Amino acid sequence: QKEVEQDPGPLSVPEGAIVSLNCTYSNSAFQYFMWYRQYSRKGPELLMYTYSSGNKEDGRFTAQVDKSSKYISLFIRDSQPSDSATYLCAMGDKKTSYDKVIFGPGTSLSVIP
Amino acid sequence: NAGVMQNPRHLVRRRGQEARLRCSPMKGHSHVYWYRQLPEEGLKFMVYLQKENIIDESGMPKERFSAEFPKEGPSILRIQQVVRGDSAAYFCASGTASSGANVLTFGAGSRLTVL
Repeated sequence: QKEVEQDPGPLSVPEGAIVSLNCTYSNSAFQYFMWYRQYSRKGPELLMYTYSSGNKEDGRFTAQVDKSSKYISLFIRDSQPSDSATYLCAMGDKKTSYDKVIFGPGTSLSVIP
Repeated sequence: NAGVMQNPRHLVRRRGQEARLRCSPMKGHSHVYWYRQLPEEGLKFMVYLQKENIIDESGMPKERFSAEFPKEGPSILRIQQVVRGDSAAYFCASGTASSGANVLTFGAGSRLTVL
């Protein structure tokens, strides 16, 4: 079993739709959770991070973490064509001397005008 | 703040040649991570370095790959005797602790094509 699994894409939605992106993980040592967005042929950029179970909201984006189920989600409200990108979940494991960050394989999202 | 700078952005090599990828972390950051991304795949951890010190190289292939982060200058990922399977995007990230979370800032990547 992979450490981090992510819903396979690609995902295509109409503009204005609510998008739900999901990841599961197997390592209970992960302490914090992030979502990155990657546009085609660009580097990933951080969208959100959190280190507790529950919801965290930032504009149209909501990150949800359920540590008991080892499940995280990213919700995008009122999706826009500019949201079309690959979304990567990432999880951090704080080791004794540094933090190791593991990424999911990514879900490709297309928002159709 | 120029962010994380990677060069070259694109590199073409023939099989058997060497590839050198460079990464300058954000100002004030003293540690970098290297990740490899194959087409349609996620980011795979390769190595984590601090200045003059390799902390974790568990993701590096055992042969042909090496990384360094000298006291002065950029971090370098070196691939010797490249093969077609090395064709990928290589991303560098630098990080800092913020509220206990290590939030990575990525460069734009170096895309290696092996002919």
